[in-house]
Amino acid sequence: GQSLEQPSEVTAVEGAIVQINCTYQTSGFYGLSWYQQHDGGAPTFLSYNGLDGLEETGRFSSFLSRSDSYGYLLLQELQMKDSASYFCAVAIYNQGGKLIFGQGTELSVKP
Amino acid sequence: ETGVTQSPTHLIKTRGQQVTLRCSSQSGHNTVSWYQQALGQGPQFIFQYYREEENGRGNFPPRFSGLQFPNYSSELNVNALELDDSALYLCASSRDLSGANVLTFGAGSRLTVL
Repeated sequence: GQSLEQPSEVTAVEGAIVQINCTYQTSGFYGLSWYQQHDGGAPTFLSYNGLDGLEETGRFSSFLSRSDSYGYLLLQELQMKDSASYFCAVAIYNQGGKLIFGQGTELSVKP
Repeated sequence: ETGVTQSPTHLIKTRGQQVTLRCSSQSGHNTVSWYQQALGQGPQFIFQYYREEENGRGNFPPRFSGLQFPNYSSELNVNALELDDSALYLCASSRDLSGANVLTFGAGSRLTVL
């Protein structure tokens, strides 16, 4: 089967750093993506890792280790607007529109 | 460039009825995927369309069907609605079938089945 695991919720304070981990078990793995979703709105793309290592995009970074079937999203200098659900999602080879999503991590940023 | 638009945004149906949801893909995108998101869950892949043909399907029964039109817009049809079909239905478009693609999601159609 295909499965992804991530923590259900995380709480942090403004200005802090938080890491959201994701482990996966899938066939046809191509890469790992991260999406943000506010209150049931449209998921929006944050980051993609196709190779091992760290990808940095502003305050957000994402890491992938294919040998460990593990990745994480790192959010720095947290802001109140970062309160949202964060999903890791596995991309499948040659099925670009098909993402296998985790259950999501609800991040609450407190003042 | 315009993003992904979906209609209707909200709708209420009763068990046994049929529903059609519509999606306009982002300009320049030829692949459309549909997802079902139950409350508190991650989106679940229903199927994707590439150049008007179904190309990959998730674990959903045949009463979930779709179409893609020459302008790459798409429809999701659900027949014989069940209570468990109540969910947010998300449409996403992408440039092609590459696994590295970024999906652009619409805001969804929230379906309630009574």
